[in-house]
Amino acid sequence: GNSVTQMEGPVTLSEEAFLTINCTYTATGYPSLFWYVQYPGEGLQLLLKATKADDKGSNKGFEATYRKETTSFHLEKGSVQVSDSAVYFCALNSGGSNYKLTFGKGTLLTVNP
Amino acid sequence: GAVVSQHPSWVICKSGTSVKIECRSLDFQATTMFWYRQFPKQSLMLMATSNEGSKATYEQGVEKDKFLINHASLTLSTLTVTSAHPEDSSFYICSARAPRTGTDYGYTFGSGTRLTVV
Repeated sequence: GNSVTQMEGPVTLSEEAFLTINCTYTATGYPSLFWYVQYPGEGLQLLLKATKADDKGSNKGFEATYRKETTSFHLEKGSVQVSDSAVYFCALNSGGSNYKLTFGKGTLLTVNP
Repeated sequence: GAVVSQHPSWVICKSGTSVKIECRSLDFQATTMFWYRQFPKQSLMLMATSNEGSKATYEQGVEKDKFLINHASLTLSTLTVTSAHPEDSSFYICSARAPRTGTDYGYTFGSGTRLTVV
């Protein structure tokens, strides 16, 4: 079955530091890959996505590249801000009935001023 | 963009009572809605998937009679927690999926409902 493994947190960084959150996956076929962000007490917001190999998703300074050869979709940001503090979820969808998303366990990021 | 409205955002109820949570797609028709449960510091657990006009499909281990899901229209799905107990206290999140356009699967999440059973 499908699965997503992402680095365990929590991750604590200083403002302007470089961020990497690793995500690897197991799936049948050619899944679409997503990063979602959840701010405290809120639902999930789509941060970025990639639908085929070598695609790069980007948004708000965050980037992730769909690497089929390493089955990875690592999230990066060159300079984090305090407002980036949130929980980040890697997810995949491989189609099939109802297009269910499979989520990783989430990584809590705290950025200190 | 697509918006999903989820209500209430928080609710406190007495043990043994039932609670209904609504999830509405405001500006699109949701062919499929998903209900998740999230425990503190943990990932989302998919509870069930519902398609408009048909019975929900529950994930293994989720009690169908306890978590009643209704998807009567393309813009509204409800989750009713029946005979709630303290162990049902959790954060519940809905997600709606619009018909696929291009390569965008169009998942939109509600803002979640914090349920506390006392």
